[in-house]
Amino acid sequence: AQSVTQLDSQVPVFEEAPVELRCNYSSSVSVYLFWYVQYPNQGLQLLLKYLSGSTLVKGINGFEAEFNKSQTSFHLRKPSVHISDTAEYFCAVSVSNFGNEKLTFGTGTRLTIIP
Amino acid sequence: NAGVTQTPKFRVLKTGQSMTLLCAQDMNHEYMYWYRQDPGMGLRLIHYSVGEGTTAKGEVPDGYNVSRLKKQNFLLGLESAAPSQTSVYFCASSYWVASNYGYTFGSGTRLTVV
Repeated sequence: AQSVTQLDSQVPVFEEAPVELRCNYSSSVSVYLFWYVQYPNQGLQLLLKYLSGSTLVKGINGFEAEFNKSQTSFHLRKPSVHISDTAEYFCAVSVSNFGNEKLTFGTGTRLTIIP
Repeated sequence: NAGVTQTPKFRVLKTGQSMTLLCAQDMNHEYMYWYRQDPGMGLRLIHYSVGEGTTAKGEVPDGYNVSRLKKQNFLLGLESAAPSQTSVYFCASSYWVASNYGYTFGSGTRLTVV
């Protein structure tokens, strides 16, 4: 079975500074990888996903992530954060068995932007 | 608008009461899922369905039952609610179309058991 580890439960960052949210996964087979954002009292919004192809994936709101198969990582980055990026971020993985597999989530990273 | 609709959005139950959460999707997706979200634990899979008439257990199925009598609906039932079931519940469906794969989530149901 696959699993996801988000080592940082909270990350405080000054406004306009860069940020990296770490995600490592464990799986014995090929995977699909996702990052979701959840703003306070809201549902989940897809930031980006890796299915195949280029290992650098660009998403919404200026975020990007890089799939590193050898290190089993899918870290999320943004070069300059804004107050509006304050939210909880979830990394998730599913096995790439022709799709339609259950999604396994990490425990989340709460990103706080300091003015 | 197409998507996943969850009802109700909020509910307060007394311990021992029962209730059903409804998830409806109009995208003709085969696979549907129920997750619960608790602080510091991310989202955990309760039950899922790979098609009409089928259901399977996820990571945390105890205390819940589900049914998928119609392809578009996935019901989550609590027979005897407990305070430990206080949580935010999310329904989702997944799709695989022309090498594009993803999930559509509902907006959530906030359940409090007192």
